[in-house]
Amino acid sequence: NAGVMQNPRHLVRRRGQEARLRCSPMKGHSHVYWYRQLPEEGLKFMVYLQKENIIDESGMPKERFSAEFPKEGPSILRIQQVVRGDSAAYFCASSPKQGRANQPQHFGDGTRLSIL
Amino acid sequence: QKEVEQNSGPLSVPEGAIASLNCTYSDRGSQSFFWYRQYSGKSPELIMSIYSNGDKEDGRFTAQLNKASQYVSLLIRDSQPSDSATYLCGGETSGSRLTFGEGTQLTVNP
Repeated sequence: NAGVMQNPRHLVRRRGQEARLRCSPMKGHSHVYWYRQLPEEGLKFMVYLQKENIIDESGMPKERFSAEFPKEGPSILRIQQVVRGDSAAYFCASSPKQGRANQPQHFGDGTRLSIL
Repeated sequence: QKEVEQNSGPLSVPEGAIASLNCTYSDRGSQSFFWYRQYSGKSPELIMSIYSNGDKEDGRFTAQLNKASQYVSLLIRDSQPSDSATYLCGGETSGSRLTFGEGTQLTVNP
């Protein structure tokens, strides 16, 4: 499968624990985006990363949330001290290196995070 | 004002009819627009992209963009029950992130 790979598909955490969500972009893609989707709502942008750089984190909550895309390995979205309101589907998308500004983003299957 | 707004749903059409989905945007700097289809519990799937004023056709799908009116639409001809899904309109704003509307839920009745 050469698509965007996210894991785990489902993640259950208790309040106060940490959640780590992983995303491997499509082969040849160097741009990664994270989105959150609350039940019955649209997709909300969180953060845009390239290798070792955070390009735009304007959609990230100021506290408890962080993201990285290291030189080696997948992109990680980390949520510390989770609360019930963090329950959502988290989608990762990737696009190719920007030769043009309008390369479509392709989405992974998402991680469904449930907080008990 | 929301950056991207979609016509309120849900939208219900009979099989074989044309489904019309509409979207307006507020950022005049947006250059690229995308329509994604999302089945319940699944990930968004890219079905159309449009960058220039006018129409773009791909099979039963036609995307229309009018930058002067800040309006994007998606027409689905000969609608099929398998087209029943939520359709998300996304506009590319500064820095390449996508801003999505709330989605329009389409039901095609056999």
